[in-house]
Amino acid sequence: AQTVTQSQPEMSVQEAETVTLSCTYDTSESDYYLFWYKQPPSRQMILVIRQEAYKQQNATENRFSVNFQKAAKSFSLKISDSQLGDAAMYFCAYRSARGGSNYKLTFGKGTLLTVNP
Amino acid sequence: GAGVSQSPSNKVTEKGKDVELRCDPISGHTALYWYRQSLGQGLEFLIYFQGNSAPDKSGLPSDRFSAERTGGSVSTLTIQRTQQEDSAVYLCASSGPSGNTIYFGEGSWLTVV
Repeated sequence: AQTVTQSQPEMSVQEAETVTLSCTYDTSESDYYLFWYKQPPSRQMILVIRQEAYKQQNATENRFSVNFQKAAKSFSLKISDSQLGDAAMYFCAYRSARGGSNYKLTFGKGTLLTVNP
Repeated sequence: GAGVSQSPSNKVTEKGKDVELRCDPISGHTALYWYRQSLGQGLEFLIYFQGNSAPDKSGLPSDRFSAERTGGSVSTLTIQRTQQEDSAVYLCASSGPSGNTIYFGEGSWLTVV
């Protein structure tokens, strides 16, 4: 079974600074997807960024980028120019690329990010 | 609708009562997921529906939990004889056939007293 580990229960960053959230995962598969989701106090899970394992290039979405190290099974999220609205719980998630019930997401336990003004 | 819609947003129920939680996925999405998020915890997979295929019920914690999806669209998660440990946020999500991007609703916050 796949597992996802987020080793940082809490992180804080100063507004306008850069922060990196860590995520490692364990799988025997070679083809899969990795995700970062943001959950603000409203509870809505919002997709931040997605990475396909077959792609060597790291995904980027505006101020959000990832460092995907397939051999090390590491998938960290970098938030540049942090804003107050970035404060939330961040979840790393894994999903197999195989079909059927393997489509379910496996989540880490989350990292609570605080942004200080 | 524009997004995944869940109801009720909040539900307080007495121990031993049955509850039903509803999820209306994004129009055209064939896959539907239910997750449970307990206080301070990550997301726990409950059940997955894909089109007309048999659902993956492997995450349901006990036989008090069941879910159905009518007409390949709306889903209802039913918890019978609720217990205090059932208190959690129940999140529904949906995706297209490829499952590449999964969209979540705002959740139903269940409190069992």
